[in-house]
Amino acid sequence: QQQVKQSPQSLIVQKGGIPIINCAYENTAFDYFPWYQQFPGKGPALLIAIRPDVSEKKEGRFTISFNKSAKQFSLHIMDSQPGDSATYFCAAADSSYQLIWGAGTKLIIKP
Amino acid sequence: ETGVTQSPTHLIKTRGQQVTLRCSSQSGHNTVSWYQQALGQGPQFIFQYYREEENGRGNFPPRFSGLQFPNYSSELNVNALELDDSALYLCASSPGGPEAKNIQYFGAGTRLSVL
Repeated sequence: QQQVKQSPQSLIVQKGGIPIINCAYENTAFDYFPWYQQFPGKGPALLIAIRPDVSEKKEGRFTISFNKSAKQFSLHIMDSQPGDSATYFCAAADSSYQLIWGAGTKLIIKP
Repeated sequence: ETGVTQSPTHLIKTRGQQVTLRCSSQSGHNTVSWYQQALGQGPQFIFQYYREEENGRGNFPPRFSGLQFPNYSSELNVNALELDDSALYLCASSPGGPEAKNIQYFGAGTRLSVL
């Protein structure tokens, strides 16, 4: 019940395309859903986060779509660039302190 | 940059040894969390410190212990190192208390190799 399932494991998209990464959860007590971007040799960096009272949130080229009834959320990257190539993690948290992380998606944007 | 600094960046130890990793949190942040990230996996929560007290713990054995100091910097100590402890250890700091939670800013991590 504490798991967050992330897919796909890896993704290759042409420059300008819209990669979509999906996550699903079971614990209905989760109320915070962030996405992190991690480059090799670096720590994860918070990209964007959503709470379940909204169905969509945009920040720049990054959009989270949230489906509370399906217990799913996804990250869309508009106008993707080679510099977006990184590993992306979804996570979730309830009223406690710890983030539960997905397994990560390695994204490659081809020039 | 997040303002969270970790030291050292890399460390090589042998099985059975002890190790101390250090984290300096972002200015104004009083909550520090530690995570273990094995190669190719997502981070796993070890524990969190809030105002010098352990505020929660993940599924890690007691040989993983920590400290938080009055300036909110923190240490992660691992005793009796095992080969499976080889991983990237990440520190994250958060503003406010655990209620302001989850908005965590990560350092670059310490890469620990146990031989």
